[in-house]
Amino acid sequence: DAGVIQSPRHEVTEMGQEVTLRCKPISGHNSLFWYRQTMMRGLELLIYFNNNVPIDDSGMPEDRFSAKMPNASFSTLKIQPSEPRDSAVYFCASTVRGLRETQYFGPGTRLLVL
Amino acid sequence: AQSVAQPEDQVNVAEGNPLTVKCTYSVSGNPYLFWYVQYPNRGLQFLLKYITGDNLVKGSYGFEAEFNKSQTSFHLKKPSALVSDSALYFCAVRGAAGNKLTFGGGTRVLVKP
Repeated sequence: DAGVIQSPRHEVTEMGQEVTLRCKPISGHNSLFWYRQTMMRGLELLIYFNNNVPIDDSGMPEDRFSAKMPNASFSTLKIQPSEPRDSAVYFCASTVRGLRETQYFGPGTRLLVL
Repeated sequence: AQSVAQPEDQVNVAEGNPLTVKCTYSVSGNPYLFWYVQYPNRGLQFLLKYITGDNLVKGSYGFEAEFNKSQTSFHLKKPSALVSDSALYFCAVRGAAGNKLTFGGGTRVLVKP
């Protein structure tokens, strides 16, 4: 199993540009999570999906952030327009839905907004 | 609301000595508890979890954790630390409300040779 796949692994962009982060969950998993990690705020849950449907987006910082999951094998997190304070590592995780189940994390996308 | 506290930002231990990373939690109902490890420039890697049953849970790389319901704790332990155990460790909890995990702030472990 390839695990959770994220792309790109690194992204450097200029303020105001649109950024799209991509995630492919583990095959058969039906829940997907987007997290952001910074030194100041630690690991924050941004949004999660069950069966491709957004369940809780209360962690999305503002309207500049949006996430979609058009099918069971693909999700995107978009930032438009990007700002320097969005610089962070963004992780995607997936799991089989259920309280006992383990979330498995991707390698992350390191985003730097100049 | 559920929460996790990792009271130590950093733990320093000599190689070969026992390692303990502390975690306390707050959640409604039965807790589902997890430990993850993060090596530099890597994603979080699952170590172990407590769901039910035995209070002592064994996981990957020789790690174990002890669930203590009365103290609402789930401390991570390793009898003999290795330099390669140096990493960032996260405790997480999930309650009966849903499959949303709440993470602690992380504890950096430094094992010195």
